[in-house]
Amino acid sequence: GENVEQHPSTLSVQEGDSAVIKCTYSDSASNYFPWYKQELGKRPQLIIDIRSNVGEKKDQRIAVTLNKTAKHFSLHITETQPEDSAVYFCAAMRGGADGLTFGKGTHLIIQP
Amino acid sequence: EAGVAQSPRYKIIEKRQSVAFWCNPISGHATLYWYQQILGQGPKLLIQFQNNGVVDDSQLPKDRFSAERLKGVDSTLKIQPAKLEDSAVYLCASSLDRGHIQYFGAGTRLSVL
Repeated sequence: GENVEQHPSTLSVQEGDSAVIKCTYSDSASNYFPWYKQELGKRPQLIIDIRSNVGEKKDQRIAVTLNKTAKHFSLHITETQPEDSAVYFCAAMRGGADGLTFGKGTHLIIQP
Repeated sequence: EAGVAQSPRYKIIEKRQSVAFWCNPISGHATLYWYQQILGQGPKLLIQFQNNGVVDDSQLPKDRFSAERLKGVDSTLKIQPAKLEDSAVYLCASSLDRGHIQYFGAGTRLSVL
């Protein structure tokens, strides 16, 4: 089955700096890659997603890049703000199957 | 629009007891998922429904876990009997159809003592 590796497990950055979280996947048939943000005790919320026919997608301060050949995708957050502090999960969905396989999460800490 | 509703929010039981969780998906969503999230890990899919039929239950421990979505709307997930390792947050998610964005509920936090 699919396996998703996520790094780093914890990331601390200064407010205003950029943050990058990286994920790799194992199943070349995976074609949908969402990113979820989860604040303590709250539900995971989709922040951005990308499908395999696109290499990059941007939404204001958040961007995701996908390298299908290398089977990795990354989340980029620019101009980080205190409200960006949370756990971020990457996930992959295999074509023809709909359940998401998640990474273990990255705890992003924004230092004031 | 209203989000995915789950109840209860918290549940504490002793091992070998039974427990049930309830999920009401977003109105009109045909696909419903149950995930298990153990502390410090990402969610893991347990079962997926399309309307009232099971699409994927390959990771559901069927000796103790069961789930149903009889009328194709609400769903219940049951554990009987519970084990210590079942302590986790049980998340329900729904999507308009297969392959669409999944929206999560707030989850039920289960503690098995």
